[in-house]
Amino acid sequence: DSGVTQTPKHLITATGQRVTLRCSPRSGDLSVYWYQQSLDQGLQFLIQYYNGEERAKGNILERFSAQQFPDLHSELNLSSLELGDSALYFCASSAPRGQGANTEAFFGQGTRLTVV
Amino acid sequence: SQQGEEDPQALSIQEGENATMNCSYKTSINNLQWYRQNSGRGLVHLILIRSNEREKHSGRLRVTLDTSKKSSSLLITASRAADTASYFCAIRRMNRDDKIIFGKGTRLHILP
Repeated sequence: DSGVTQTPKHLITATGQRVTLRCSPRSGDLSVYWYQQSLDQGLQFLIQYYNGEERAKGNILERFSAQQFPDLHSELNLSSLELGDSALYFCASSAPRGQGANTEAFFGQGTRLTVV
Repeated sequence: SQQGEEDPQALSIQEGENATMNCSYKTSINNLQWYRQNSGRGLVHLILIRSNEREKHSGRLRVTLDTSKKSSSLLITASRAADTASYFCAIRRMNRDDKIIFGKGTRLHILP
């Protein structure tokens, strides 16, 4: 168990809809990363938050947005969903308070999103 | 591309043999990390090696880092069926943002 919790584990929704994926980082970790993994592909970096603020942005579509709340949990919002958005979405956390950024990232089990 | 690139893309070996996977990258790094992913599951962190380190061990895993060649290797000794998985390297760039950038991975299959 990595200590990172993602909900829901599975999500099936129709095109055009909007969904929210949730991530609770490991206790004490300040950074949250979001990744998208399509079938048999590598992980595409979407966005990173650090202590509530956006730190880095990757190939995140305008239809997608994220935020990190004061309790450090994060949500990834996907709207106007298309069939191509079907993927595994992973959250990872790192940077325990007081230990800086040169630390490993721990991953949740992911949310499998299927758009039909 | 600044991401890590694993080589080979796929590898099949007999149980008990050693497996070596390589990772190359193009930018200066703060650290390099190796992860394992079983099919459709979350990623499991294996080893982090910092830019000032050359080699690290963890059980049957050995990771080397050559910053002059911008490359790293992951060696799994005495492979087992349970080692069948995809292996990814990920880099954290030096003096840049905090992105952790992944390669596309090596699919390792251990044959009984």
